[in-house]
Amino acid sequence: KAGVTQTPRYLIKTRGQQVTLSCSPISGHRSVSWYQQTPGQGLQFLFEYFSETQRNKGNFPGRFSGRQFSNSRSEMNVSTLELGDSALYLCASSLVGAHEQYFGPGTRLTVT
Amino acid sequence: EDKVVQSPLSLVVHEGDTVTLNCSYEVTNFRSLLWYKQEKKAPTFLFMLTSSGIEKKSGRLSSILDKKELFSILNITATQTGDSAVYLCAVEAEGGSQGNLIFGKGTKLSVK
Repeated sequence: KAGVTQTPRYLIKTRGQQVTLSCSPISGHRSVSWYQQTPGQGLQFLFEYFSETQRNKGNFPGRFSGRQFSNSRSEMNVSTLELGDSALYLCASSLVGAHEQYFGPGTRLTVT
Repeated sequence: EDKVVQSPLSLVVHEGDTVTLNCSYEVTNFRSLLWYKQEKKAPTFLFMLTSSGIEKKSGRLSSILDKKELFSILNITATQTGDSAVYLCAVEAEGGSQGNLIFGKGTKLSVK
């Protein structure tokens, strides 16, 4: 069974631009969560989607948004990029009601 | 505020040593505790613990949860260079927190 895939793997943007990251969950997984990982803060929860609905949201500004499609694929968008948004963005998928999440390889975003 | 604290932050050992990694947590309505190994990009799932006192084992790795004292340990016996990684502990809470894993900062293990 194929794992979680994320595209693109690397991205360089300049301040003020916006970016869209994509995540395809493991087949059959309907829940997708997004995390930001930085050296200082570690892994921090952004939001979680299930059946095209955002069920839970972390403490990030409104510049961070996401959506989920009917095939469970998910995208996250960051608008008006800031230098501090440079991070590894990880998505994870899980079965409905399952505890464990399976992570994709991440998208490394660099904002200059 | 929910939090997960891991110790030590980093550890250097020699091949063949046994190591114990610690994870303590404070979370409202605990549901499960998970351990992940992160080598380069994607954290890979190791264990999920929900019940106190029951050891989970996989090869040279084992983990146990103490829900009364709010901590878990991850043991690695006969360490190998391939065990070098960051080990992450995460906690999931019940109700209203779907898809949200609260992560510790991780323990960086180097096996020489």
